[in-house]
Amino acid sequence: GENVEQHPSTLSVQEGDSAVIKCTYSDSASNYFPWYKQELGKRPQLIIDIRSNVGEKKDQRIAVTLNKTAKHFSLHITETQPEDSAVYFCAAKGGSNYKLTFGKGTLLTVNP
Amino acid sequence: DAEITQSPRHKITETGRQVTLACHQTWNHNNMFWYRQDLGHGLRLIHYSYGVQDTNKGEVSDGYSVSRSNTEDLPLTLESAASSQTSVYFCASGSASETFFGQGTRLTVV
Repeated sequence: GENVEQHPSTLSVQEGDSAVIKCTYSDSASNYFPWYKQELGKRPQLIIDIRSNVGEKKDQRIAVTLNKTAKHFSLHITETQPEDSAVYFCAAKGGSNYKLTFGKGTLLTVNP
Repeated sequence: DAEITQSPRHKITETGRQVTLACHQTWNHNNMFWYRQDLGHGLRLIHYSYGVQDTNKGEVSDGYSVSRSNTEDLPLTLESAASSQTSVYFCASGSASETFFGQGTRLTVV
């Protein structure tokens, strides 16, 4: 089955700096890669996603890049703000398989 | 607005008891999932369903069961609760792409 590795497990940055979280996946059939943000005590919320026919996608301060050959994808947050502090999860979904396999999460702390 | 809701939000139960967690979605999604979330393990898939009468085991299915009698509901049953099943449980539903989560149920087995 699919295996998703996520790094780092914790990340601390100063407000205004950029943050990058990286994930790798094992199943070459995976074709959909979402990122979720989970604030303390809340549900995971979808923040951005990318499909395998696209190399990069941006939405304001967040962007996701995908390298299909290397089977890795990354989340980039620019101009970080304290409200970006949360746990971020990457995930992968493949082909006709509709279930998401998640990485173990990254705790991002943005220090004011 | 469409939504996915879980109940109860919090539950304390005793070892050995049968427990059922409810999940109801109004997205009209065929695909529904149950995950558990534990520190250091992220979100792990327990069971999932791709439609009415369809159920499948995920990576941590032992001690759990689900049933899918209609599109809207996927209840999760713990046959005989164990302390190792103390966790936060999330139900989710989705299309071929986007997947949305319920608010979660915090279950404590004492």
